[in-house]
Order: sequence, then structure tokens, then C-alpha cells
Amino acid sequence: DARVTQTPRHKVTEMGQEVTMRCQPILGHNTVFWYRQTMMQGLELLAYFRNRAPLDDSGMPKDRFSAEMPDATLATLKIQPSEPRDSAVYFCASARASRNTGELFFGEGSRLTVL
Amino acid sequence: AQTVTQSQPEMSVQEAETVTLSCTYDTSESDYYLFWYKQPPSRQMILVIRQEAYKQQNATENRFSVNFQKAAKSFSLKISDSQLGDAAMYFCAYRRGNDMRFGAGTRLTVKP
Repeated sequence: DARVTQTPRHKVTEMGQEVTMRCQPILGHNTVFWYRQTMMQGLELLAYFRNRAPLDDSGMPKDRFSAEMPDATLATLKIQPSEPRDSAVYFCASARASRNTGELFFGEGSRLTVL
Repeated sequence: AQTVTQSQPEMSVQEAETVTLSCTYDTSESDYYLFWYKQPPSRQMILVIRQEAYKQQNATENRFSVNFQKAAKSFSLKISDSQLGDAAMYFCAYRRGNDMRFGAGTRLTVKP
């Protein structure tokens, strides 16, 4: 089964440390999304890429967050320095840029805890 | 920005009964997609059903069906013959192009 793969599944770190989350989209999908899920805010769109180019990262705190797609098989979300309020589950999702289905395929998420 | 509203934070249904989850959205577009995703405790987001806005016919997937009212911007999910495995968070979502927004979710409890 084709699936979106995210690593790590769980990460506990201390405030001030750098955190990097990785995502491997489904082969052939050229659109990648990063979402953050918290109890208070629900699912927030942080950024999305199409054909590896960032189209919108307006949902991301620019001072500490950065998202990149160094190649078509890898998307990264980095937080530096991390803060306790960054504790959340971070989801990566991928899709084809076509109108056939519109569906996003999600990874299992990375649960981040910042102490 | 498009917004998606789920007015029911929690819902409960008896096993084998039917439940309807509500969703409304705000958009000025005429061509878009609507989705219901399920998130069980495993936290995996699973697509339940999709609806293309240009299709008038309501989508159906086995026990799951939607009532899509385009003019009213309403997109409710009906679960028939509820099963214990249906217990989860359900998210309504709107997608136009590369922008996809989610509602706050409805937690569904299924009572045996």
C-alpha cells in the first residue's frame, strides 16, 4: 500500500532544542501539506508545497519554523528553537494536483512534546 | 479565508442506530471538494467520504452518506447502523485548489 511516511512518531525534547520532522510523500504526489493539531486549535495548516516549491507558509511562525522540500521524496519541518507551546501532533499529507479526487493522504503524525 | 464549522463538539449514538454530524462552510467559490475524515485514537486520518461540489448527487459509501446542500453551504454526514468501530473524531474539510481547511471536529461515541 502506498502511504505517507512520517518520522519520528514521537519526540520529547527540551525547550530551546532544534526539532526536525520528516515526511516521505506518496510516490507521484506533487503536493505536500504540513498541519499541526492541538486540542485548542484543532488542525491548522502550516504550509504547503507544490512541485517542491512553497506555495503558502502563512500559517507558520516564521521566526522559528521552516519547511523545505529538498527533493520530491522528502519534506522537512524544522523548529529552532523549540518552545513548550509547540507541543502538538504534526501531520504531513500529500496529494496529486489534479481535480480527480481532491483527497489528501495523511501520515500517522509526529507527536512532539517540548518540556 | 474559507472557514469550516462543526457545531457539535460531541455526539453519541446507540450501536445499530443512525447519527448525523453537521458541517457548514463559507466560500464564494463554486468548484471545490468537501470531505469527511475520521480520526480514531490511533490518530491516523482516514478518508470517509468525498463530495465534488459540481455533482448534485449526494455521495454514498456503504453505511456513510452525505446531505450536500450547496446553496445553504451545508454538508452533513449520516452514519447508518452505527458500529463500535465508528467511534472517533470526525472532521469536515473543504478543499479548493491547494488550500484545504478543517472544522474543529466532532467526537462520536458509540454506546453498545
